[in-house]
Amino acid sequence: AQTVTQSQPEMSVQEAETVTLSCTYDTSESNYYLFWYKQPPSRQMILVIRQEAYKQQNATENRFSVNFQKAAKSFSLKISDSQLGDTAMYFCAYQAGGTSYGKLTFGQGTILTVHP
Amino acid sequence: DAGVIQSPRHEVTEMGQEVTLRCKPISGHNSLFWYRQTMMRGLELLIYFNNNVPIDDSGMPEDRFSAKMPNASFSTLKIQPSEPRDSAVYFCASSSGLAGWGEQFFGPGTRLTVL
Repeated sequence: AQTVTQSQPEMSVQEAETVTLSCTYDTSESNYYLFWYKQPPSRQMILVIRQEAYKQQNATENRFSVNFQKAAKSFSLKISDSQLGDTAMYFCAYQAGGTSYGKLTFGQGTILTVHP
Repeated sequence: DAGVIQSPRHEVTEMGQEVTLRCKPISGHNSLFWYRQTMMRGLELLIYFNNNVPIDDSGMPEDRFSAKMPNASFSTLKIQPSEPRDSAVYFCASSSGLAGWGEQFFGPGTRLTVL
């Protein structure tokens, strides 16, 4: 079974600084998606960024970028120029291809606090 | 777009009562997922539908839980009878990708409290 591990239960960063959240996963599949979702105190799940496993180039979305290391099964999220609105729980998620029909497997989450 | 709509947003009920949670996916999406979030177990998939057909319900914790999708625009998750350990946030998500592949869009969730 696929597993997703986020080893940092909590992180904090000063406004305008850079922070990196870690995620590792275990799979025997060759084709899959990886996602980072953000859950602010409103509890709404918001997609931050996604990466398809067959793409070697790391995904970027404005201040958010990933470091995807397929061989190491690592998928970290870097947030640059942190803003107060980035304060949230962040979840790493794995989605296998094939017959899994889109099932997402989530990590335990990392609480990120951005301090002014 | 209205996004995924869930109702109610909050539900407080007493042990033994029937609870029905409702979800309207984004129009045109062909896959629908029900997740549960608790402190102890995190986010876990309960059941998912593709083209209104239940594909995998292995995540449903007990026979007290049931889910239906009578048409492409509506799904329900029912708990009967409810127990205090069912207290959680329940999310519905939908996707337009082939066989559910790709990004899932989440509703705002229903916070269920069973006393």
